[in-house]
Amino acid sequence: KNQVEQSPQSLIILEGKNCTLQCNYTVSPFSNLRWYKQDTGRGPVSLTIMTFSENTKSNGRYTATLDADTKQSSLHITASQLSDSASYICVLYGGTSYGKLTFGQGTILTVHP
Amino acid sequence: GAVVSQHPSRVICKSGTSVKIECRSLDFQATTMFWYRQFPKQSLMLMATSNEGSKATYEQGVEKDKFLINHASLTLSTLTVTSAHPEDSSFYICSARDSTRDTGSEQYFGPGTRLTVT
Repeated sequence: KNQVEQSPQSLIILEGKNCTLQCNYTVSPFSNLRWYKQDTGRGPVSLTIMTFSENTKSNGRYTATLDADTKQSSLHITASQLSDSASYICVLYGGTSYGKLTFGQGTILTVHP
Repeated sequence: GAVVSQHPSRVICKSGTSVKIECRSLDFQATTMFWYRQFPKQSLMLMATSNEGSKATYEQGVEKDKFLINHASLTLSTLTVTSAHPEDSSFYICSARDSTRDTGSEQYFGPGTRLTVT
């Protein structure tokens, strides 16, 4: 069964600090993995995309890693800002004909001043 | 970048009435769109896959007669919640995939519609 598990469920950090969010998956076949940021009451917005052959990719203060052997990914946020407070969702794109996605439950990040 | 819009952004309706939500791909064509439902502090749950020119494919447990989907053009899909009840109150999000790209390509999400049934 395709599954995506994220940890922690929630995280509170102080502004300026770094944090790392984890994602473990069992999706097969694997097309790519994306991290999304979802602000409260808004739709998800893509932060990074990782394909099978990529180990790390950065987008500003966001750095995603992928270990295809252990089926783990992480999202590292550097120098957090208050605007980083949101839900971060790990999403697996599989190679099915309908292009269905498998969503993690998300990590709710709260950044305090 | 590709943009998906939804209308309305929020709607309040009375129990027993029907509500239509529109999902539009603004700068690309989408033969396939997806409708999701999200409850507070939970992730997105796929309700149905909307296919242009054909019937939608519903996920198990989703009532097709209650959630009517129409995908009449390459840029527009609509979700109609019929005979709405308070338990239908939720955040509805659509996504669309550029039909010129493969099935592994990015789905672009709309901003969501908050439905409240009183």
